[in-house]
Amino acid sequence: GQNIDQPTEMTATEGAIVQINCTYQTSGFNGLFWYQQHAGEAPTFLSYNVLDGLEEKGRFSSFLSRSKGYSYLLLKELQMKDSASYLCAVSPFSGGYNKLIFGAGTRLAVHP
Amino acid sequence: EAGVAQSPRYKIIEKRQSVAFWCNPISGHATLYWYQQILGQGPKLLIQFQNNGVVDDSQLPKDRFSAERLKGVDSTLKIQPAKLEDSAVYLCASSGTGTGNLEQYFGPGTRLTVT
Repeated sequence: GQNIDQPTEMTATEGAIVQINCTYQTSGFNGLFWYQQHAGEAPTFLSYNVLDGLEEKGRFSSFLSRSKGYSYLLLKELQMKDSASYLCAVSPFSGGYNKLIFGAGTRLAVHP
Repeated sequence: EAGVAQSPRYKIIEKRQSVAFWCNPISGHATLYWYQQILGQGPKLLIQFQNNGVVDDSQLPKDRFSAERLKGVDSTLKIQPAKLEDSAVYLCASSGTGTGNLEQYFGPGTRLTVT
């Protein structure tokens, strides 16, 4: 089967660093995505990993270990506007068609 | 570049009624997706189109849901008849063609409430 797990909720302090973990089991693997979704809004793309290692993009970094079925999103220098849900999504092998399976999301609350 | 457009933004209907949602993807995007997002959950893929052909509708409740993408551009998703458990946000997304880093761009969604 296909399964994606991530913590339901996390809290952190403004200016701090937070790591959101994601573990997955899918039939095949074409890459892992992280999306940010503010309450009442559409998801927006944050990062993509297909090879093992760390991808850095400004304050956000994403790590992937394919052998462990594990990824994390690292948010540095947290700001209040980072309060949102963070969705881990995996693209399984789908016969050449890009498809995403989403986790339930991690709701992050940033406090002053 | 214009984003993914959806309408209506909100809809309230009674159970057993019908409803339709419309989506206009980003120009040139061949792949279009409809997702259902229930409160507190991640988006669940209902149907995926490549141009005007269906490539995945394995999680579409076909007894009540239908979707079409005429001419490979706009798409409509219909529910007939609606049930209480259909209350959710219906997201439309589009992307380019192929595999790999194909970011999906999401529309603002339609929030459906079934009473």
